[in-house]
Amino acid sequence: EVQLVESGGGLIQPGGSLRLSCAASGFTVSSNYMSWVRQAPGKGLEWVSVIYSGGSTYYADSVKGRFTISRDNSKNTLYLQMNSLRAEDTAVYYCARSITMILRFDYWGQGTLVTVSS
Amino acid sequence: DIQMTQSPSSLSASVGDRVTITCQASQDISNYLNWYQQKPGKAPKLLIYDASNLETGVPSRFSGSGSGTDFTFTISSLQPEDIATYYCQQYDNLPVTFGQGTKLEIK
Repeated sequence: EVQLVESGGGLIQPGGSLRLSCAASGFTVSSNYMSWVRQAPGKGLEWVSVIYSGGSTYYADSVKGRFTISRDNSKNTLYLQMNSLRAEDTAVYYCARSITMILRFDYWGQGTLVTVSS
Repeated sequence: DIQMTQSPSSLSASVGDRVTITCQASQDISNYLNWYQQKPGKAPKLLIYDASNLETGVPSRFSGSGSGTDFTFTISSLQPEDIATYYCQQYDNLPVTFGQGTKLEIK
């Protein structure tokens, strides 16, 4: 059974850093196209980043230079390192799988809440 | 970036009604359009991919159509469990973008 379990969210001050994890089971992270998608409270969905099976990474302009997506193949886990956090980064962060480069997200985690506030 | 304009933003309908949501892309995206259902406090769920393909396990009352810039999502007979917010999503090129969502309520 495919499962994605996020962790690492919490309350962080503006300018701080946080690393989110997404532990996968039932499939191999490195063979798929893994994304982070976020949702600010009461708002819609916003794509954040993707790591392709080949290792290429891409980011939304809103997080470029501040966030880094990566994976640990030995742990079958996806990560999102978030630096220089801002209030507007407050959101539930979901990891999501796509089996193709034509990104369609067929499995999602339950989400982890990141709150950036002083 | 490709902008996705979804309408209406909210919709109230009765059980058994036919419900239609539209999504318009700011440029031609071929058929690279997906539809998701999100219930409160839950992650989104993929319903339709590549504009018209039903994801495995999704009831057949859900359907999608369209290509190019104009797309339609339909629930043929609304059920109480369909109360949710629905989003379209394009992948013609990065960044992936979503419509702003349609909140569906029971009348």
